Amino acid sequence: NAGVTQTPKFQVLKTGQSMTLQCAQDMNHEYMSWYRQDPGMGLRLIHYSVGAGITDQGEVPNGYNVSRSTTEDFPLRLLSAAPSQTSVYFCASSYRSFSGELFFGEGSRLTVL
Amino acid sequence: QQQVKQSPQSLIVQKGGISIINCAYENTAFDYFPWYQQFPGKGPALLIAIRPDVSEKKEGRFTISFNKSAKQFSLHIMDSQPGDSATYFCAASSLRGGTASKLTFGTGTRLQVTL
Repeated sequence: NAGVTQTPKFQVLKTGQSMTLQCAQDMNHEYMSWYRQDPGMGLRLIHYSVGAGITDQGEVPNGYNVSRSTTEDFPLRLLSAAPSQTSVYFCASSYRSFSGELFFGEGSRLTVL
Repeated sequence: QQQVKQSPQSLIVQKGGISIINCAYENTAFDYFPWYQQFPGKGPALLIAIRPDVSEKKEGRFTISFNKSAKQFSLHIMDSQPGDSATYFCAASSLRGGTASKLTFGTGTRLQVTL
């Protein structure tokens, strides 16, 4: 049982480049979300989705796009990377009815030069 | 605006001691308060959670204390062990309106348990 899988684990970009962070879960969870983790800032919600075809903004959505075409996948797109987007990104999922646990992937460390 | 405030930022405790991490929240709609544990290079994982209908919940060496009137909750780790060394996050959400999974996290506490 893979759980929540994120790729890539590490990525270095130059300012202005674009990329997609991939997230897949095999637990049939309706809810998926992306957080970024920065020192002293904790985990901040970027975007979330309550089901296929439905997405919404979190606390820090600027500079990021998401889509949810399937239940399993929830990619995060950076259209024009900026140094302020240097961070560790975590994808998380849960049942929409919320069993009480949010399952996290192992993270993707992104550096923007 | 930090909706969940966590302290201290870091904590060093001797083996066998008690580790205490505190959190305070502002949004009175919050009614679910979990704690997550994160080891280096890993994603956070649920440790223990509480709902405001009880003032305390204990699971093994880990206890959450909850004070609804003060809008505060805390994590106590009894008999702290080196294996407890990790970063701990408090969080909060509302179980109503289908947004229970939309957790708001504190800023984290890095705990180091020394021998």
